Amino acid sequence: GQQLNQSPQSMFIQEGEDVSMNCTSSSIFNTWLWYKQDPGEGPVLLIALYKAGELTSNGRLTAQFGITRKDSFLNISASIPSDVGIYFCAGPLWSGGSQGNLIFGKGTKLSVKP
Amino acid sequence: NAGVTQTPKFRVLKTGQSMTLLCAQDMNHEYMYWYRQDPGMGLRLIHYSVGEGTTAKGEVPDGYNVSRLKKQNFLLGLESAAPSQTSVYFCASSRGLAGGGAKNIKYFGAGTRLSVL
Repeated sequence: GQQLNQSPQSMFIQEGEDVSMNCTSSSIFNTWLWYKQDPGEGPVLLIALYKAGELTSNGRLTAQFGITRKDSFLNISASIPSDVGIYFCAGPLWSGGSQGNLIFGKGTKLSVKP
Repeated sequence: NAGVTQTPKFRVLKTGQSMTLLCAQDMNHEYMYWYRQDPGMGLRLIHYSVGEGTTAKGEVPDGYNVSRLKKQNFLLGLESAAPSQTSVYFCASSRGLAGGGAKNIKYFGAGTRLSVL
């Protein structure tokens, strides 16, 4: 089935560092969503993107809707310890009878550098 | 996770036992969903509902049944639990389907952690 490929799968951060992650697909999406999941919790929406080329910020987080509509990027500036968690990209799938239900990437896990 | 409540938070079953996971939302959302989350697999859609009295299959529906008798509740049932159903289950709701703007953003519950021995 359709997949969203997230990269990297995991990364270690040191406080103050900038973080970048991305999500790619073989299909075109008209919406990209970025969620964060804290341990033991459900995903919480961080940023929603609705137009190709759109650049949207939420505090230290900035996400971009790729021009090709097949990718999206999330950047975190000046990371802090509470940024650890799993970040998921998601997009609505309209093919195969899915009626626009969200599919999720496998996540990028952020951990604090030991 | 405001607005979507899942019960129970944890459960341990023996193979073959049945149980029902409850999801309630107080946002008057039309759409509700059940996902399962397994390590390294992201979130996969089990079943969803586009309104009271309707249900539809998602990506991984086998072994599960659902019911949406009331708009605010969406129940996920396991008739005969199997070890492969050990997972974390998340319920979500939205005003509409994704792709149509902010009204279609999904809100998730805190999850139910199920172990089948």
